[in-house]
Amino acid sequence: QFVLTQSPSASASLGASVKLTCTLSSGHSSYAIAWHQQQPEKGPRFLMKVNSDGSHTKGDGIPDRFSGSSSGAERYLTISSLQSEDEADYYCQTWGTGIRVFGGGTKLTVL
Amino acid sequence: HLQLQESGPGLVKTSETLSITCTVSGGSIRNNSYNWGWIRQPPGKGLEWIGSIYYTGTTYYKPSLKSRVTISLDTSKNQFSLKLSSVTAADTAVYYCARDDLLNGLFDFWGQGTLVTVSS
Repeated sequence: QFVLTQSPSASASLGASVKLTCTLSSGHSSYAIAWHQQQPEKGPRFLMKVNSDGSHTKGDGIPDRFSGSSSGAERYLTISSLQSEDEADYYCQTWGTGIRVFGGGTKLTVL
Repeated sequence: HLQLQESGPGLVKTSETLSITCTVSGGSIRNNSYNWGWIRQPPGKGLEWIGSIYYTGTTYYKPSLKSRVTISLDTSKNQFSLKLSSVTAADTAVYYCARDDLLNGLFDFWGQGTLVTVSS
């Protein structure tokens, strides 16, 4: 079963940092993932691709405050210097031949 | 600058067929580096991939939706389309089109989405 698992919610204070986690299902720990941000009432926006070695490639115009990393089957999105506009839903996504899979999303609240 | 724009009926009756079109501007759907995909999001819920199409017409569908889904493209209009048959209230969602990077399998450009409500 090709599944991505995310915590439903997270919170952090304005100006602080937060690390969101996406966990790949058993047998898929070497897969890369993508992170997408969905601000309230908007469509998703591609943030970055995160590889199994922790390297990441960001989409156009994504601020340096956003970074990615990996450990085993976990892929991370770290947002530093949190701003109010970072309050959003964050989805991870992965792929195989002829299939695309989304995680359930994490709702980030900026306090 | 790539842009994708969905257009759809807004309201579809139960058991009928939902049809939505995505118009691509600022790039060609005949680019052999990309698929073009459909994703939906029921109200208050997460994202669900529906399917993707390559410029040759090769399609990939989510297995649980495959029997009801048809994705096609019109290269002359730089558009691709989604048809979902036998709809029920469970198909009520915002439907997004997106560019699907063939090499990576990730969606790197998204449309703004169109809400389709299924009601009797």
